[in-house]
Amino acid sequence: TQLLEQSPQFLSIQEGENLTVYCNSSSVFSSLQWYRQEPGEGPVLLVTVVTGGEVKKLKRLTFQFGDARKDSSLHITAAQPGDTGLYLCAGAEQTGANNLFFGTGTRLTVIP
Amino acid sequence: DAGVIQSPRHEVTEMGQEVTLRCKPISGHNSLFWYRQTMMRGLELLIYFNNNVPIDDSGMPEDRFSAKMPNASFSTLKIQPSEPRDSAVYFCASSLAHGPPIQYFGAGTRLSVL
Repeated sequence: TQLLEQSPQFLSIQEGENLTVYCNSSSVFSSLQWYRQEPGEGPVLLVTVVTGGEVKKLKRLTFQFGDARKDSSLHITAAQPGDTGLYLCAGAEQTGANNLFFGTGTRLTVIP
Repeated sequence: DAGVIQSPRHEVTEMGQEVTLRCKPISGHNSLFWYRQTMMRGLELLIYFNNNVPIDDSGMPEDRFSAKMPNASFSTLKIQPSEPRDSAVYFCASSLAHGPPIQYFGAGTRLSVL
């Protein structure tokens, strides 16, 4: 089992603040995804990163894949209450494999 | 598309009873995954199928758990007999077997075993 550790595990911030969530592993992944899960629902894909060093932006969210493809970060600028949820990173071990290894999760609460 | 459909949404049962969870994947998807989510252990992969064939069931906790996929549009996860420690949210997800490994999740079944 490939272990993906996320930090922090819990994060509570005020609206308008910036934050960064980290996803780390000792394993190399062919691609890495970030999902967000809201209460009572399943995880929903936010982004996929494939190339080492790749940076993707989705409005106020910035995703980065580490150069060695072992780690990733998610940065949120000017957090809003709608960003509240559980953020999960997930890695695909090899190209062509469709099973994912999910991280331990970061539970974010943005206080209005 | 209706997305991945799971039933029931909530299930409350007594210890020792049989529980059957159901999943209808997205039409055209040929991979199906069963996960269990708890606060303590996070999201755990139980088993996944490609083209209705079980590929990896190493995450199935014990023999009390079994999963079937009789056709491309239906899968079940059965727990017999159920125990209180099985209480969790069970998710089904589907994806295409080839291409980016994007998984689409159902809304989950919240199981409580008393």
